[in-house]
Amino acid sequence: KAGVTQTPRYLIKTRGQQVTLSCSPISGHRSVSWYQQTPGQGLQFLFEYFSETQRNKGNFPGRFSGRQFSNSRSEMNVSTLELGDSALYLCASSLGTGGREKLFFGSGTQLSVL
Amino acid sequence: GQQLNQSPQSMFIQEGEDVSMNCTSSSIFNTWLWYKQDPGEGPVLLIALYKAGELTSNGRLTAQFGITRKDSFLNISASIPSDVGIYFCAGHGYNNNDMRFGAGTRLTVKP
Repeated sequence: KAGVTQTPRYLIKTRGQQVTLSCSPISGHRSVSWYQQTPGQGLQFLFEYFSETQRNKGNFPGRFSGRQFSNSRSEMNVSTLELGDSALYLCASSLGTGGREKLFFGSGTQLSVL
Repeated sequence: GQQLNQSPQSMFIQEGEDVSMNCTSSSIFNTWLWYKQDPGEGPVLLIALYKAGELTSNGRLTAQFGITRKDSFLNISASIPSDVGIYFCAGHGYNNNDMRFGAGTRLTVKP
């Protein structure tokens, strides 16, 4: 069974640009969640999607948005990039949503904002 | 939300030694997960715990869900060089939005 696939692996952008990251969950998994990982802040929850609906949202500004498609694939968009947005963005999938699910992570997209 | 308190931050050990790390929280959780992350990769799930007092093993790894529901520990026995990496705990509370992570324990194993 293929794991969680994230594309692209690396991305370099400049301030003010926007970026779209993609995540394909494990086959059969319907929940996709996104995380930002930085050396200073660790893993921070961005949002979770289940059946094309955003179920939960972390504490990030509105520049961070996402969506989920009918095949459970998800995209995350960051508009008006800032230097502080440089991070590893991780996507995780799970069978369902709720407190007892196991999360399976992709390898991440390393975003550098110059 | 506030992240979990994970300790130690880093460990330098000799191959063959045992390792212990733990996570604590001010609130109770209904699930504890332990992950290992290699540089440039995403975290890989090692062990999942669902019940207070539960003790679960995965090869040389053993993890326990604390009785108070506010803590968990991970032990690695007879460490080997490929155990090198960052180990994260994650806890899920009763609120669907309440998934929190520890800051990680960076493990270095000297051959």
